Amino acid sequence: GENVEQHPSTLSVQEGDSAVIKCTYSDSASNYFPWYKQELGKRPQLIIDIRSNVGEKKDQRIAVTLNKTAKHFSLHITETQPEDSAVYFCAAIHTGTASKLTFGTGTRLQVTL
Amino acid sequence: GAVVSQHPSWVICKSGTSVKIECRSLDFQATTMFWYRQFPKQSLMLMATSNEGSKATYEQGVEKDKFLINHASLTLSTLTVTSAHPEDSSFYICSASGLAGGLITGELFFGEGSRLTVL
Repeated sequence: GENVEQHPSTLSVQEGDSAVIKCTYSDSASNYFPWYKQELGKRPQLIIDIRSNVGEKKDQRIAVTLNKTAKHFSLHITETQPEDSAVYFCAAIHTGTASKLTFGTGTRLQVTL
Repeated sequence: GAVVSQHPSWVICKSGTSVKIECRSLDFQATTMFWYRQFPKQSLMLMATSNEGSKATYEQGVEKDKFLINHASLTLSTLTVTSAHPEDSSFYICSASGLAGGLITGELFFGEGSRLTVL
């Protein structure tokens, strides 16, 4: 089955700096890679996703890159703000089989003033 | 996006009792429902996958007789924690994938989560 690794487990940046979270996956058939933001005690919220037919996607301050050859994808947050502080999870799935979504271990991002 | 409603949002129960958690998809057909458990400061761990009208598929190490899952309709799935014990205390979250334009998109829609505390 799919195995997703995520680094770092914790990340502290100053407000205005950029944050990068990296994930690797094992199943080359995976074709959908969502990123979720989870605040304490709340449900994960999809913040951006990327499919295997593109290498990069951007939405305002958030971008995701995908390297299918190396089987890794990254989340980039620019101009970080205190409200970006949360736990971020990457995930991977092969949608063609409607199989389960495999989550990374999570990154706790702390944006300090 | 699609809405999944989960309740109760929190529940406290005595050891040995059973607790039922419901998840409803409000505006789409949830062909597949996933149930996750999340311990403090940990990732979401898949417990089981259920497809409407069929038995759930449980992940390794998850007791199917303890965590009863029913997915009787395309809009409702339930998780019952039977004979709950303090070690079952956790955050339980359902998520659904379904049909959008006739295609399974892969995107998951999460319920709000239910925090279970077993005394």
